Amino acid sequence: GNSVTQMEGPVTLSEEAFLTINCTYTATGYPSLFWYVQYPGEGLQLLLKATKADDKGSNKGFEATYRKETTSFHLEKGSVQVSDSAVYFCALSEGNDMRFGAGTRLTVKP
Amino acid sequence: ETGVTQSPTHLIKTRGQQVTLRCSSQSGHNTVSWYQQALGQGPQFIFQYYREEENGRGNFPPRFSGLQFPNYSSELNVNALELDDSALYLCASIIAGYPLDTQYFGPGTRLTVL
Repeated sequence: GNSVTQMEGPVTLSEEAFLTINCTYTATGYPSLFWYVQYPGEGLQLLLKATKADDKGSNKGFEATYRKETTSFHLEKGSVQVSDSAVYFCALSEGNDMRFGAGTRLTVKP
Repeated sequence: ETGVTQSPTHLIKTRGQQVTLRCSSQSGHNTVSWYQQALGQGPQFIFQYYREEENGRGNFPPRFSGLQFPNYSSELNVNALELDDSALYLCASIIAGYPLDTQYFGPGTRLTVL
């Protein structure tokens, strides 16, 4: 079945550091891929998405490219801020089925 | 602010009890999904309701059941609670036929089973 594996955390970075959170997937077809962010006490929010191979999703300085050849969708940001501290989830969907990774907690220190 | 609210915020129950969690969806969102998020894990799909009927179910036993009401509210009911049911329960609402990434999540109800 479909599944998502993402980099274990927690990840702690200094402000303005470069961020990479790895995500790989297993799917039988051609899923859409997503990154969600969860701030403390809030629901999941869609950060970015890509619906086909080689698509790049981007939002708020975050980027991820749908790589079919490596079945990956790594999240990157060139310069993180303290306000980026949150839990990040990689997810895929085919039809009505959405599968999430285990989440990676990011803490950014001033 | 997603327009999706859940109540209560936190809840403590004992093993064997029954619990009802509530979700109020965005107006016009006729489809609601419920997810279980265990500590340190990603959300797992429990089931989805569309027009007050179950419209898909994940790998959860029948003691997990739901209701959806015409006023865009819904309930998740869990009978015979087990310790492993301790988790954050999320609801998400969407307009039927729209892509899944347009669903809005509520902040969740944290259930602790002792």
